[in-house]
Amino acid sequence: GENVEQHPSTLSVQEGDSAVIKCTYSDSASNYFPWYKQELGKRPQLIIDIRSNVGEKKDQRIAVTLNKTAKHFSLHITETQPEDSAVYFCAASIGGNEKLTFGTGTRLTIIP
Amino acid sequence: DAGVIQSPRHEVTEMGQEVTLRCKPISGHNSLFWYRQTMMRGLELLIYFNNNVPIDDSGMPEDRFSAKMPNASFSTLKIQPSEPRDSAVYFCASSPVQGPYEQYFGPGTRLTVT
Repeated sequence: GENVEQHPSTLSVQEGDSAVIKCTYSDSASNYFPWYKQELGKRPQLIIDIRSNVGEKKDQRIAVTLNKTAKHFSLHITETQPEDSAVYFCAASIGGNEKLTFGTGTRLTIIP
Repeated sequence: DAGVIQSPRHEVTEMGQEVTLRCKPISGHNSLFWYRQTMMRGLELLIYFNNNVPIDDSGMPEDRFSAKMPNASFSTLKIQPSEPRDSAVYFCASSPVQGPYEQYFGPGTRLTVT
């Protein structure tokens, strides 16, 4: 089955700087890659996703890039703000399969 | 849309007792997932259903855990008997009929077994 690895496990950045979280996946058949944000005590919420026919997608301060050849994808957050502090999870799913395989999460802390 | 609804939000029970967690998926969604989240093990998929049929229960820890989906708008996760190591937050999520399957999570049930 699919295996998703996520790095780093913790990340601290100064407010206003950029943050990058990276994930790798094992199954080349995977074609859907969502990112979830989970604030303390809350549910995971989808913030952005990318499909395998797209190399990059941007939504305001967040962007995701996908390298199918290398089987990795990354989340980029620019101009970080205190409200970006949360745990971020990447995930992958194989085409035609509803099941998501999640990474282990990255705890992002924005330092004011 | 009310989103995914879970009940109870918090459950405290004694070891050996039966625990039943409930979930109502978003109307029109045909896939439902049960996850368990702990600090040590992260977010684990326990079981998921498609059109009310269990598709993959490989994540169910042991026979003490069981899940049902009697209809498209209701699912239960039961633990019998409960043990302290079952203490965790249990999330239910649902996804729509058409791929690529964005999952929407409920607020979770925080279970504490003493």
